[in-house]
Amino acid sequence: GNSVTQMEGPVTLSEEAFLTINCTYTATGYPSLFWYVQYPGEGLQLLLKATKADDKGSNKGFEATYRKETTSFHLEKGSVQVSDSAVYFCALRRSDSNYQLIWGAGTKLIIKP
Amino acid sequence: DAGITQSPRYKITETGRQVTLMCHQTWSHSYMFWYRQDLGHGLRLIYYSAAADITDKGEVPDGYVVSRSKTENFPLTLESATRSQTSVYFCATDRLRQGTDTQYFGPGTRLTVL
Repeated sequence: GNSVTQMEGPVTLSEEAFLTINCTYTATGYPSLFWYVQYPGEGLQLLLKATKADDKGSNKGFEATYRKETTSFHLEKGSVQVSDSAVYFCALRRSDSNYQLIWGAGTKLIIKP
Repeated sequence: DAGITQSPRYKITETGRQVTLMCHQTWSHSYMFWYRQDLGHGLRLIYYSAAADITDKGEVPDGYVVSRSKTENFPLTLESATRSQTSVYFCATDRLRQGTDTQYFGPGTRLTVL
């Protein structure tokens, strides 16, 4: 079946550190891949997406590359800030899906000054 | 442009009471969704709707009822609230014109059942 696996959190880093949050997936066909971010007390919002193999999504200094050979979509940022503290969700939508996003469990990121 | 609004933002109720959570969108997106978010479970889909008067069950529908008489509204009712329904509830919308479209989330309702 279809599934998304994220690294467990919380992930705690110091300000200006390099960030990687791992995401791997299992899916039939050619899914679209998404990263969402949830800041404290808020709903989820789209951070970035990639719709085909080797695409790189980027936003607010975050990047993720769609790697079909390793079925991965790892989130990276070169220098994190305290304001990046949030929960990050990886998700996929199958190319033949009529509605459903398949969600990872979420990874809590804590950035210390 | 308000996008998606949810009300109330916080609700405390007692076991056995009926509770309705409201969701309203201003975009006329076809699809609407209700999720619950619990520690250790991430997001779980309760119900979704493809259009007015079309609804279907998600992963965890038991104990919940939905309706969608108008495109812009998608209320979620807990007919007889239980403590296990204490959670944060999110409404979301999606145009779903193509697979690369994304979902847009409301701010959530934190429900506590005593």
